[in-house]
Amino acid sequence: DTAVSQTPKYLVTQMGNDKSIKCEQNLGHDTMYWYKQDSKKFLKIMFSYNNKELIINETVPNRFSPKSPDKAHLNLHINSLELGDSAVYFCASSRDPSSYNEQFFGPGTRLTVL
Amino acid sequence: GNSVTQMEGPVTLSEEAFLTINCTYTATGYPSLFWYVQYPGEGLQLLLKATKADDKGSNKGFEATYRKETTSFHLEKGSVQVSDSAVYFCALSGRAQKLVFGQGTRLTINP
Repeated sequence: DTAVSQTPKYLVTQMGNDKSIKCEQNLGHDTMYWYKQDSKKFLKIMFSYNNKELIINETVPNRFSPKSPDKAHLNLHINSLELGDSAVYFCASSRDPSSYNEQFFGPGTRLTVL
Repeated sequence: GNSVTQMEGPVTLSEEAFLTINCTYTATGYPSLFWYVQYPGEGLQLLLKATKADDKGSNKGFEATYRKETTSFHLEKGSVQVSDSAVYFCALSGRAQKLVFGQGTRLTINP
């Protein structure tokens, strides 16, 4: 039973295309996150949702649009993909947004834009 | 804003050596501090955490103490194993309720 799952695991696509990454958690958590990890392993938060409401929106191009249909799902849609979007994207969840809570991470989606 | 600085890697040690990975932070207020570990091809897992000054987090032989006076949270292990080879991330979470990560330290343990 995977706690936080993401699909697809690998995504290879051409510049200019639109793609989506899906994330699901079965932990009963209220809060979900998207992170981007670049080629140097640097991790940065992109978005956070609590109970389907956006609570963190970092400086991310508006080509990136998160959607949370329910508490267990947080999907990431990316329009007009660019070479610089190539990275590993991690979904995570936590019980609530409190700063002391552990975040549980998915296995990541490696996006390659050609 | 909040930030975390870790010692640069990569770090290569022999099995049973003593490990220290330095981590210092800048934050307003009283953040919670974390060490996460990323094994090859996997997502991050929480290794240990401390939520207030002088707390010591520990797990799997790893330890880190929340030192407010030196704004540090150094990771230590007395005797490393080959299976400890991974990338280690120091992180903090403050009032903005988001994790801010250090740049990661790649650790390789040779038999």
